[in-house]
Amino acid sequence: EPEVTQTPSHQVTQMGQEVILRCVPISNHLYFYWYRQILGQKVEFLVSFYNNEISEKSEIFDDQFSVERPDGSNFTLKIRSTKLEDSAMYFCASSERVTLHFGNGTRLTVT
Amino acid sequence: GQQLNQSPQSMFIQEGEDVSMNCTSSSIFNTWLWYKQDPGEGPVLLIALYKAGELTSNGRLTAQFGITRKDSFLNISASIPSDVGIYFCAGANRDDKIIFGKGTRLHILP
Repeated sequence: EPEVTQTPSHQVTQMGQEVILRCVPISNHLYFYWYRQILGQKVEFLVSFYNNEISEKSEIFDDQFSVERPDGSNFTLKIRSTKLEDSAMYFCASSERVTLHFGNGTRLTVT
Repeated sequence: GQQLNQSPQSMFIQEGEDVSMNCTSSSIFNTWLWYKQDPGEGPVLLIALYKAGELTSNGRLTAQFGITRKDSFLNISASIPSDVGIYFCAGANRDDKIIFGKGTRLHILP
């Protein structure tokens, strides 16, 4: 069964550094998403992406965040200057419509 | 903004017991989704509901889309150890914006 893949599975970075989280969505899906989950808490929406542009973003998704679909298969989330509070699991998801399929996440630790 | 109230927050049950959890909202949703998350992994879709009143089963799992479109429940029958995890409801409104509940953490007592 096709799945969403994310790399790396775990990334440790120093505060102020830039990170890029990578995702390969399911190939025939048209909608792409990033969600964040702080340890022990609920899954929070960051951004949705459709037709090569952001369709919606949350208040969490400030100017430090950006997304890109650099080619036909990858979907990336960049955090320009990481803060301690950015430490979380970041999940990529894709869908044909509303039924999201999630990757296994990237655990980001900011020290 | 829209919120989903998921309950209970946590459950401790014996193996073999049935489980019931639900999500409610003051807003109407067009789609209800139930996910399970195992430690260190992403949420995995269990059941998707697309129509008010719809009752759908997936093995020992049964979920219903409330007739008012403001709630949904998930039942697990005859629980087994691998049912342990966090269960999230998610609702999609008419703009296809999807929001998640805070999760129900299921523990099975030895």
